[in-house]
Amino acid sequence: QLQLQESGPGLVKPSETLSLTCTVSGGSIIISNYYWGWIRQPPGKGLEWIGSIYYTGNTYYKSSLKSRLTISIDTSEHQFSLKLSSVTAADTAVYFCARHAHNGGVDYWGQGTLVTVSS
Amino acid sequence: QSVLTQPPSVSAAPGQKVTISCSGTSSNIGNFFVSWYQQLPGAAPKLLIYDNDKRPSGIPDRFSGSKSGTSATLVITGLQTGDEADYYCATWDSSLSAHVFGTGTKVTV
Repeated sequence: QLQLQESGPGLVKPSETLSLTCTVSGGSIIISNYYWGWIRQPPGKGLEWIGSIYYTGNTYYKSSLKSRLTISIDTSEHQFSLKLSSVTAADTAVYFCARHAHNGGVDYWGQGTLVTVSS
Repeated sequence: QSVLTQPPSVSAAPGQKVTISCSGTSSNIGNFFVSWYQQLPGAAPKLLIYDNDKRPSGIPDRFSGSKSGTSATLVITGLQTGDEADYYCATWDSSLSAHVFGTGTKVTV
């Protein structure tokens, strides 16, 4: 059974960079036709897709976050990562890593990790 | 603000049926597959429906999805107390070049 697990600091200061890693286990991160993505959910609000990466390293991001966002993948470590720079309180959210087909469902999700932006 | 509109809440008695709508445009639902998710309190979302009307293994047939034009619908029959959750639709939006989620619907049983 494929499992995804987010890791990283739960508290980030304003203007700093939020960094999270997702470790994939129980299956290969090198898989055709599926992407590895990040989705966030501010407290009490809905879901927002942030960006995704293919095992080849090809990425695509939400346009409003593109200037601050970097998603990378390390297939040898079975991990993919998120870096979001210049964070503000608006970036406070539960961050989920996930697997999805490009135009299909998100079939595997991590449990999510709360990241709070505060001084 | 999401481009996919859902009713904020729906409710029904145990054993009854609820219908959740997801309204979009030709840039999203009208031309792309829709998926649906159930999010129990404090948990990650769970895939219920993909490709408009397909159920992943393990999802009971009480959950069904459909799409017509620029709208999609999730129907839950034989409601159970364990179905109390938030439900989200999702698809690709070609104008935004982004995956988009609906506004979410809280189901109360």
